Amino acid sequence: GQQVMQIPQYQHVQEGEDFTTYCNSSTTLSNIQWYKQRPGGHPVFLIQLVKSGEVKKQKRLTFQFGEAKKNSSLHITATQTTDVGTYFCASGYALNFGKGTSLLVTP
Amino acid sequence: GEEVAQTPKHLVRGEGQKAKLYCAPIKGHSYVFWYQQVLKNEFKFLISFQNENVFDETGMPKERFSAKCLPNSPCSLEIQATKLEDSAVYFCASSPGILRIGYGYTFGSGTRLTVV
Repeated sequence: GQQVMQIPQYQHVQEGEDFTTYCNSSTTLSNIQWYKQRPGGHPVFLIQLVKSGEVKKQKRLTFQFGEAKKNSSLHITATQTTDVGTYFCASGYALNFGKGTSLLVTP
Repeated sequence: GEEVAQTPKHLVRGEGQKAKLYCAPIKGHSYVFWYQQVLKNEFKFLISFQNENVFDETGMPKERFSAKCLPNSPCSLEIQATKLEDSAVYFCASSPGILRIGYGYTFGSGTRLTVV
């Protein structure tokens, strides 16, 4: 399977600060999907990346897929309290999930 | 509807009892996936279906777990003789296709199984 490692495990920021989570694999990935799970909630699909070097933006969120398709990142600019949750990367059709990065935003 | 409906929300079973979980995928979605989330952040893929056919069952503990997706019925995941280690949140997800560009998987709200 396409195993992915995700760092950091936790991130605590002040509202307005930026946040980045990283996803890495030792093998070439066919795709990367990103999901957000709020505390007590279910994963919600954010985006899918498939092309080498791809960069996609959704408002304050920027997603990147590495040139070698072995890593990906999610960057949030100027975090808000509504960004609180755990962000997961996942790869392959069976969605091999990373262990997620839990983001806490302090007002 | 446009949501994946999972029932029940909570299920408590004594060790050794049977547990059955249900999932109604979004209409028109031909793929269904089951995941187990333990320790809050660890997802384990269990099984996937393409319509009523098993697509991939490599994650299923075969001895006690079984799953079905029959026409015109919710999909089901059944655990015979539950163990304490089966305590987890079980998520079902559906998708119109596999890795279709622009489409992710839509998850249900999960069933929290507690084995006591």
